[in-house]
Amino acid sequence: KAGVTQTPRYLIKTRGQQVTLSCSPISGHRSVSWYQQTPGQGLQFLFEYFSETQRNKGNFPGRFSGRQFSNSRSEMNVSTLELGDSALYLCASSLTGEVWGSADTQYFGPGTRLTVL
Amino acid sequence: AQKITQTQPGMFVQEKEAVTLDCTYDTSDQSYGLFWYKQPSSGEMIFLIYQGSYDEQNATEGRYSLNFQKARKSANLVISASQLGDSAMYFCAMREGNTGGFKTIFGAGTRLFVKA
Repeated sequence: KAGVTQTPRYLIKTRGQQVTLSCSPISGHRSVSWYQQTPGQGLQFLFEYFSETQRNKGNFPGRFSGRQFSNSRSEMNVSTLELGDSALYLCASSLTGEVWGSADTQYFGPGTRLTVL
Repeated sequence: AQKITQTQPGMFVQEKEAVTLDCTYDTSDQSYGLFWYKQPSSGEMIFLIYQGSYDEQNATEGRYSLNFQKARKSANLVISASQLGDSAMYFCAMREGNTGGFKTIFGAGTRLFVKA
């Protein structure tokens, strides 16, 4: 079974631009979560989607948004990029994200490394 | 308040020896899940082991075991017979919430160096 895929793997943008990142979950997984990883702040939760609905959101400004499609694929958008948005963006999928047990573990993709100049 | 604490920024271990990576957590929920992930320099997060809050037995997965002490709110990872390929960043994580919304919180990580 294919793992979580993220595109693109690397991205360079300039301040003020916007960017869209894509995530395809493991087949059958309906929950998709996004995380931002930076050396200074570590791994921070952005949002979680389930059945096309945002189920939970981390403490990020409104410039960060996302959506999930009917096939569970998810996109994350960052508008008006700032230098501080440079980070590794990780996507993770799980079956439902609401069942306690190892069967509902989150599996991560390889990440998209975003550099803002 | 910090919910996941990993007090060891870096650890060294000799190849073939065992090593324990510490993790303490803070939650008022009764139901939660604890995870350990490995992140090599490539960046991908690799799932290692899971422990549920109601699991009475410590989880084991091959060379990985989780020393779960619920009363102390600790979930230490034990790697037996370390290998050079174990050199990586290790993250302890806790998943909490309910059907209204879940999120996973990560610790700051411990960088493990395995010496030949």
